[in-house]
Amino acid sequence: DGGITQSPKYLFRKEGQNVTLSCEQNLNHDAMYWYRQDPGQGLRLIYYSQIVNDFQKGDIAEGYSVSREKKESFPLTVTSAQKNPTAFYLCASSIAGDLRETQYFGPGTRLLVL
Amino acid sequence: AQSVTQPDIHITVSEGASLELRCNYSYGATPYLFWYVQSPGQGLQLLLKYFSGDTLVQGIKGFEAEFKRSQSSFNLRKPSVHWSDAAEYFCAVGEFMNRDDKIIFGKGTRLHILP
Repeated sequence: DGGITQSPKYLFRKEGQNVTLSCEQNLNHDAMYWYRQDPGQGLRLIYYSQIVNDFQKGDIAEGYSVSREKKESFPLTVTSAQKNPTAFYLCASSIAGDLRETQYFGPGTRLLVL
Repeated sequence: AQSVTQPDIHITVSEGASLELRCNYSYGATPYLFWYVQSPGQGLQLLLKYFSGDTLVQGIKGFEAEFKRSQSSFNLRKPSVHWSDAAEYFCAVGEFMNRDDKIIFGKGTRLHILP
């Protein structure tokens, strides 16, 4: 079955620790996105990538980093510089890097700070 | 700057009743509008989108939405809700003017269904 997988479902981070969230898609989509969702808030774009080896900052990129070495994979690292990392993180992909294209979302990773 | 407002944080309707979820946007040009649904602990799924043409848009799961430029609204409707429609619904507006394309999401409306 084609789709987007995110792992782990829950992730715990200690103060000062970097953690990496995984996002994999087998839809053969060129574009991938990372969003952050806080309770009672809409989604906010962290980073996006329209093609392999290229990515751009979204609205709230500070404290996060990404890589796009393979078409299928777009991991997100939450660094220790992110002071309030507790949130639900959603990965998405679309056929092309045009936001008018339908975005397909993964099931999300919930990050909690210990 | 563009913005999206969903005035209702929570809405409760009885199963079988009709539904309307409100969405208002602020945008100078013709907007690109979306409605997404999110089941608890899950990702989002696109219900429908509007770019141009017929202002009444049909989506999946029996949903429709109507674009009203005069009211800056894009309300989501369903004639008869099912218990499985209980979820959170997000309206979003897209700005595609230049290389800095972006989608702005509303804060969501959580729909509760009474049996």
